[in-house]
Amino acid sequence: QSVLTQPPSASGTPGQRVTISCSGSSSNIGSNTVNWYQQLPGTAPKLLIYNNDQRPSGVPERFSGSKSGTSASLAISGLQSEDEADYYCATWDDSLNGGVFGGGTKLTVL
Amino acid sequence: EVHLVESGGGLVKPGGSLRLSCAASGFTFSSYSMNWVRQAPGKGLEWVSSISSTSSYIFYADSVKGRFTISRDNAKNSLFLQVNSLRAEDTAVYYCARAPVMSATFFDYWGQGALVTVSS
Repeated sequence: QSVLTQPPSASGTPGQRVTISCSGSSSNIGSNTVNWYQQLPGTAPKLLIYNNDQRPSGVPERFSGSKSGTSASLAISGLQSEDEADYYCATWDDSLNGGVFGGGTKLTVL
Repeated sequence: EVHLVESGGGLVKPGGSLRLSCAASGFTFSSYSMNWVRQAPGKGLEWVSSISSTSSYIFYADSVKGRFTISRDNAKNSLFLQVNSLRAEDTAVYYCARAPVMSATFFDYWGQGALVTVSS
């Protein structure tokens, strides 16, 4: 059972907009910034969004992040087939004094 | 270009030990916090441990506390994870990751991972 809760799966058709939620508590998301990672099959995770809503250079503007209270969301607009991957949210937990990840969401592009 | 290369993984019996290494290049290693993150086969990501740039601050996940030890050698641009008293549930790919900020999960570069298999 992960400290951060994500839906196990999400799907959409090319061109659609999809959102992935990440729910936590006051000791983690409520107190710290959220980061999102994309993991393509057989590869290492890649930073997608940092500090709630910042995109590293090279990440398309189609990807956006937001945070409100103890929840965060990743939105992908103009869905493309290459977006099919696993997505993870992550943050620091002040009670655990450690990092925590969501269980991951497998995105399928139909 | 930033490169992180893990090594030292392998097959080990329950109760055994291994020392994972992460060789860093392409950046000023001594200026960054570093982390280990693992992923069991077919499962999600799990944060394992963090170490600050000067080794002053170290944190561990409860699941590995007392069994794993993180360390670094800034002169050799290297990060280490000593893993002792290994259990079957420690079987995973272990990634090292660079962190611009301590006590956060902002990991901007990752290695390719080292597989640790714990089995008799």
